[in-house]
Amino acid sequence: NAGVTQTPKFQVLKTGQSMTLQCAQDMNHNSMYWYRQDPGMGLRLIYYSASEGTTDKGEVPNGYNVSRLNKREFSLRLESAAPSQTSVYFCASVETGSWSQYFGPGTRLLVL
Amino acid sequence: AQSVTQLDSQVPVFEEAPVELRCNYSSSVSVYLFWYVQYPNQGLQLLLKYLSGSTLVESINGFEAEFNKSQTSFHLRKPSVHISDTAEYFCAVSEKGTYKYIFGTGTRLKVLA
Repeated sequence: NAGVTQTPKFQVLKTGQSMTLQCAQDMNHNSMYWYRQDPGMGLRLIYYSASEGTTDKGEVPNGYNVSRLNKREFSLRLESAAPSQTSVYFCASVETGSWSQYFGPGTRLLVL
Repeated sequence: AQSVTQLDSQVPVFEEAPVELRCNYSSSVSVYLFWYVQYPNQGLQLLLKYLSGSTLVESINGFEAEFNKSQTSFHLRKPSVHISDTAEYFCAVSEKGTYKYIFGTGTRLKVLA
């Protein structure tokens, strides 16, 4: 099992550019999540998908869109990147019934 | 709305000394509670969780946490820390019946030789 995988690991964007962060899990989990981590602010929930076909906003959804492509994949899109979106992005999935979250290794994004 | 407070942003402690990392939460309904650990340049790993039953929960590496409903707390403790425990620790809460998790701002534990 690869667990939760994220691509890319690092990315540098210019203001206004767009990009999609990819996340996949091979554990047959129903729920998937996107967080951003900033110094002193912990992890903040951007969007989540409780099950295939559903998505919901978290604490900080502005400037982002998501797609739950299938049960395995959950992508995060920045349509027009801003310097305030410089952060480390983590994807996670939840083991059904146990409520335990499994995290990917993260994507480090720098927006200039 | 649910929220999590970790008042201590950094906790230095000497090796083999005890440590307590504090976590308080706010919610109007029943909750699940979690502690996650993050080592440098890695993702988060589940340390322990409280879902129901015994209010004292333990991890395999000697940490424990106690759910205190009246004080809305879920403090993490270890009686004797090791250098390898140096990491950032996050408390998280999820209201029962939802799929939403809210994390605290984290506590950096620095174990000194």
